[in-house]
Amino acid sequence: DSGVTQTPKHLITATGQRVTLRCSPRSGDLSVYWYQQSLDQGLQFLIQYYNGEERAKGNILERFSAQQFPDLHSELNLSSLELGDSALYFCASSPHQFGVTGGHNEQFFGPGTRLTVL
Amino acid sequence: DAKTTQPPSMDCAEGRAANLPCNHSTISGNEYVYWYRQIHSQGPQYIIHGLKNNETNEMASLIITEDRKSSTLILPHATLRDTAVYYCIVRALIGSSNTGKLIFGQGTTLQVKP
Repeated sequence: DSGVTQTPKHLITATGQRVTLRCSPRSGDLSVYWYQQSLDQGLQFLIQYYNGEERAKGNILERFSAQQFPDLHSELNLSSLELGDSALYFCASSPHQFGVTGGHNEQFFGPGTRLTVL
Repeated sequence: DAKTTQPPSMDCAEGRAANLPCNHSTISGNEYVYWYRQIHSQGPQYIIHGLKNNETNEMASLIITEDRKSSTLILPHATLRDTAVYYCIVRALIGSSNTGKLIFGQGTTLQVKP
C-alpha cells in the first residue's frame, strides 16, 4: 500500500459524458502527478500540481483539467469523453519541496482508476 | 531527459538472478538513472536509483557502467511476484528545469518462470 488513494476504482460511462477522478496523496506530500496508461500509448504524464498550483503539463488534452485543493487532494476532470479516453489513470504523490534542489523525488503511485468509455 | 532503450521482454527462472539492461547513451552528467516497475495494471513502484556508483537496496542492485551509458538492474533471486514491466528512466534531480515528472518508455516485461 503506497498510501495514495484513488476513487473510484472502476468507472464506466458513455461517449460525450464528463467524469471526475479523485486522488488523495500520502500524508504530507505536496506534489500530485496524474498519468494516463492506455494500451497504445503506454504510461504518459498528464499534469502536476504542487501545493495547489499547476507546475507542469504533459500531453493533457484540452478536454481534461485538474486541480489540487487546499487539503492537497486532487481531481482530474475528463469531459466530452471519447472511446479513446478509455485507460487507466494513475495519481502519484511525492514529498519534494519546490525551491529545494537536489531532491530525488521518489513517486508513490495509487492503484489507479480504470475508465471505460462505451 | 535522456532517452533509454530496453529490451521489450525477458525471461528468468525462479530463484535465479534477473539482469535487466538499459542503454542511455545520451545521459548528461547531472542525470540519474531510476528504475520503477509495474506489476500487472497496478501503480508503478519505485525500485532504486543511482548516479555513477553501484547501488543496492532491499529490492535490487543497480550497476552503472563507468561511462554511464548503460546500466543493469539486478534482482538477485527472482520470484514469481517479480513478474512485471520494468522501466528505466533517466532524469535530473529536482530543480528549476525539472519538476519531477516521470517520462516512461516501453520498459521490459520480465516473466519469471517456475
